[in-house]
Amino acid sequence: AQTVTQSQPEMSVQEAETVTLSCTYDTSESDYYLFWYKQPPSRQMILVIRQEAYKQQNATENRFSVNFQKAAKSFSLKISDSQLGDAAMYFCAYLSGYALNFGKGTSLLVTP
Amino acid sequence: SQTIHQWPATLVQPVGSPLSLECTVEGTSNPNLYWYRQAAGRGLQLLFYSVGIGQISSEVPQNLSASRPQDRQFILSSKKLLLSDSGFYLCAWSPRTIEAFFGQGTRLTVV
Repeated sequence: AQTVTQSQPEMSVQEAETVTLSCTYDTSESDYYLFWYKQPPSRQMILVIRQEAYKQQNATENRFSVNFQKAAKSFSLKISDSQLGDAAMYFCAYLSGYALNFGKGTSLLVTP
Repeated sequence: SQTIHQWPATLVQPVGSPLSLECTVEGTSNPNLYWYRQAAGRGLQLLFYSVGIGQISSEVPQNLSASRPQDRQFILSSKKLLLSDSGFYLCAWSPRTIEAFFGQGTRLTVV
């Protein structure tokens, strides 16, 4: 199975500041998809952003953007202008073919 | 629009009892279906996925099994629960090569 590694179990950011969450993955595939999901205390999984591996341009969704480095197999998430509502577990995920595999998650704390 | 239903939301079962968690998807056909388990404070572990009726792939050998008797129905089962089966179980569906959509989850406590 493909592996997804999130090396930061916990991160903290002050409101209105910027934070970057790291993710690396291991694959021999050339065609795949990468995702960041958010899991608030309700435990509902919410898609934050998606990146297709064949696209060189980094995906952006409002305050959320990614830095996709295909050669380095790195997929980091940048949250700008952090808000209290951004506090949650963030999971990086990899999809190639059928299996969607997740990292262990990063717990993001947002302080006022 | 597509929706996913997962039930029950909470379940407390004694060790050695059977388990059946059900997940159904509406508004789509031939989806990929997934079962995940999330232990307390841990990430999501892929347990099973299915690309069609009767087609089940197991990612982790364990005390659980899955079945897909209908196109939009995915069932997670166990004949005899273990304490280690406790956790938060999530069902998800994907319209193939696009993001997965998750159910509300089932919190299973084996006592």
